[in-house]
Amino acid sequence: GDSVTQMEGPVTLSEEAFLTINCTYTATGYPSLFWYVQYPGEGLQLLLKATKADDKGSNKGFEATYRKETTSFHLEKGSVQVSDSAVYFCALSEGMIKAAGNKLTFGGGTRVLVKP
Amino acid sequence: ETGVTQTPRHLVMGMTNKKSLKCEQHLGHNAMYWYKQSAKKPLELMFVYSLEERVENNSVPSRFSPECPNSSHLFLHLHTLQPEDSALYLCASSQEGQNSPLHFGNGTRLTVT
Repeated sequence: GDSVTQMEGPVTLSEEAFLTINCTYTATGYPSLFWYVQYPGEGLQLLLKATKADDKGSNKGFEATYRKETTSFHLEKGSVQVSDSAVYFCALSEGMIKAAGNKLTFGGGTRVLVKP
Repeated sequence: ETGVTQTPRHLVMGMTNKKSLKCEQHLGHNAMYWYKQSAKKPLELMFVYSLEERVENNSVPSRFSPECPNSSHLFLHLHTLQPEDSALYLCASSQEGQNSPLHFGNGTRLTVT
């Protein structure tokens, strides 16, 4: 079945440091890939997505490129802020049978702590 | 109100109680989901409703009973739960389709005593 593997955290960084969170996936078809972020006490929010190979998703200074050859979708940010402290989830979605919802497979999440 | 709203935010219940979690979405979506988030475990998809029909039930114990009376509302009815059911229960909604992102509520933190 489909699976998503993320690096385990916690990842602790200083402000303005470079952040990379690795994500690799296993899927039988051509999945869409997502990064979600969860701030303390809240639900998950979509951070960015990519729907086909070589697509780059970007939002709020974060970027991730869909690499089919390495089955990866690593998340990067060039200069993190304290407000980026959160748990980050990589997820994939396979092509769905019509009217069957959009069932995401999530990675285990990576906690990021940014210190001033 | 906009987005996905879940109530209550926190719930403590005994193993013999019956309670319900409520989710409401104001996004015009036609699919809704229940996820369970436990400490140190990946998010677990519990149920999916699409166009008000249940299309996924991931081997969830019968002590969890979902209900989707219309496309904007989703309930999770709970009865005779176990302590290991304590978790954050997240509701989400989306449009149909592989590329449609899920929009999550803030969750209900459930503690079973």
